[in-house]
This record gives sequence, C-alpha cells and structure tokens, in this order.
Amino acid sequence: EVQLVQSGAQVKKPGESLKISCKGSGYIFNNHWIGWVRQMPGKGLEWMGMIYPGDSDTRYSPSFQGQVTMSADKSISTAYLQWSSLKASDTAMYYCARPEVNKGPFDIWGQGTMVIVSS
Amino acid sequence: SYVLTQPPSVSVAPGETARITCGGNYIGTKSVHWYQQKPGQAPVLVVYYGSDRPSGIPERFSGSNSVNTATLTISRVEAGDEADYYCQVWDGSSDQGVFGGGTKLTVL
Repeated sequence: EVQLVQSGAQVKKPGESLKISCKGSGYIFNNHWIGWVRQMPGKGLEWMGMIYPGDSDTRYSPSFQGQVTMSADKSISTAYLQWSSLKASDTAMYYCARPEVNKGPFDIWGQGTMVIVSS
Repeated sequence: SYVLTQPPSVSVAPGETARITCGGNYIGTKSVHWYQQKPGQAPVLVVYYGSDRPSGIPERFSGSNSVNTATLTISRVEAGDEADYYCQVWDGSSDQGVFGGGTKLTVL
C-alpha cells in the first residue's frame, strides 16, 4: 500500500525551531516529488512547495520562500519541513502529499501534522 | 500569480445535483484537479485531469472544463458528500501549484 505517514502534533513557543517529517512507503520514494500544503485553522489549502527526493531539487511558493526549508533523506524515504524561528501565524495543519507524476494531482496524502505555536 | 475563484458555499437537497465552479483566467487550457475534504480528515482526490476519477470514487462525481470555468458535478447527492471541495491547477508561468479557496457543500 502506498502511503505517507507524518510525525505527530507539536506545540511550540514563538522563536523556537521545528522539523516535521513525512515518511513514504509502498513506492520508490526517490522517483516522486513530495509537496507540502498548509491549512490554517478554519481556512483553505495553500500550496507551499515541493521537493524531489532523488536530487533534493525544491520549488517554493513565493509566499513561503525564506520562511520554511524543505529537505529529504532518501536513505530513509523521508521528507522534512522545518522552521528556524516559529511565529504564532505558523499555527496550522501541515500536509505532505505525493503526485503520481511531476506537476500532476496529489493522489496520496499524509494524515497531517498539527503545529501550534503559542506563548 | 494565478488565481482560482470558488463560491464559498453550495447547498443542495439529497438526490439532487450539485455543481461547484472554479473560475480562472483561461482555465480551460489547464488540467484541473478536485479534492474532497471532510472535517478532521486529509483531502482526497476525487477528479483529476478535468474529468478522470481515481479508483474507488463513485461515478456520481464528474468534472468539466471550459474557457474560464471548471465545474465539479456531483449527481444524486448523498449526505456523505457533505464536505469542503477544492480545485487545483499547475500554473506553468510561476511553476507552482495553486488551490482555489474551497467550497463548502451542504446537503440540506
């Protein structure tokens, strides 16, 4: 079964750093892009960017460029999304998702990681 | 950047047909994908490349695309179809994905 399993919910303080993960299984992880999608409480889906685990090529939405860092460790089939200094406005659910083909639809989604940033 | 516009809400009675629109400049030239998201759950792909359905998605879900508007049509609506629906395209000019704002489908 093809699936993406994300790390658990996190509660952090403003200014702290954080790295959340997304582990793929059931397919050749290196051969498919992984996208990240933000959903703020009660709001819609926002495309953050994508990473190709095979060579760590990344594409960021201008809205998220410089705000987060995407990375991947292909040896353990895991993609990461990290922040160096969290803000309260980073409070959201974060989903990783996989397109079958580059620039295609997200056919596989992780279960989401809730990040709460509060003092 | 490319903008997709969806109505915030659509309401329909059980058994009727729901149509959810997604407007965008010359969206008819793009591949449109639709996702269903129920409360507390991750999104699920229900229609892709305009009118194709993943396995397991009922035939009641269909899509179309024309010039400046794409449409997700749900026939014989059931209570279980109540959810938020999002359209999505790839914007080649910015080389990134774009989601519409989402439409809440209410089954009366």
